[in-house]
Amino acid sequence: GENVEQHPSTLSVQEGDSAVIKCTYSDSASNYFPWYKQELGKRPQLIIDIRSNVGEKKDQRIAVTLNKTAKHFSLHITETQPEDSAVYFCAASPPSWGTSYGKLTFGQGTILTVHP
Amino acid sequence: DVKVTQSSRYLVKRTGEKVFLECVQDMDHENMFWYRQDPGLGLRLIYFSYDVKMKEKGDIPEGYSVSREKKERFSLILESASTNQTSMYLCASSELYGYTFGSGTRLTVV
Repeated sequence: GENVEQHPSTLSVQEGDSAVIKCTYSDSASNYFPWYKQELGKRPQLIIDIRSNVGEKKDQRIAVTLNKTAKHFSLHITETQPEDSAVYFCAASPPSWGTSYGKLTFGQGTILTVHP
Repeated sequence: DVKVTQSSRYLVKRTGEKVFLECVQDMDHENMFWYRQDPGLGLRLIYFSYDVKMKEKGDIPEGYSVSREKKERFSLILESASTNQTSMYLCASSELYGYTFGSGTRLTVV
C-alpha cells in the first residue's frame, strides 16, 4: 500500500518568514495530493490540493508543488502569520476508481509555530 | 453547510468494555472513513466503507469492527477496549476526493 513520509515534524518560524513542509510517497499510481490544516482542538480542514497532471498550484500565500518523477510534494507558506500556527498534514490518494474509493494515506504531521 | 457529526466529543471507558463510536453525515456521500490520530503518527486508517453494508479494512483494523446499516451512518466498534486504543478518533466522508471530517472523539480507556 501507499506510504507517506512528512518532514519536518516541527517547524518554528518568525512572523513574515516562509515555511516549507515536504512529503514523499511510495505509490506511483497516486494522483491526488491534499494538504490539511488542523488547529488546536479542531477538525482537519482542507487548505489546498493538487492533482498529478499539475506541477504547481497557488492560493494566495499558500502553494503546493509536485514532482511525480521523484514522488514528492511540498507545501509553501509565504509571509507567515501567527494564525498559520497549526498541525499540517499531507496526504496521497490513488485513483478513485477500483477498490481505493479515494482513500487517503496521511503523513505524520508537522507542527508549525509562527512567533510574532 | 455540510456536516459530519460524531456523537461524543469525549469518552472514558474501562478495559474490556464494548465501545461504539457513531458518525453521521448529511451530504449523501458514498464513502466514509474511520481514522485514529496519535501524536507523531498522523492519521491512520482503521476501516472505510464505500456503500451501505460494505466495508474494507484499512491499515490498522485489529481490535476494531464497523457497521454501516444506513448510508448516512458509520459506526466504529471496539469489541473489547484496551488501553492501547486510547486515542483521538476521526470520522470522515467523501464523494470522490476531498474529505470532510467530524470533530473527533477523544477516547480514554482506563
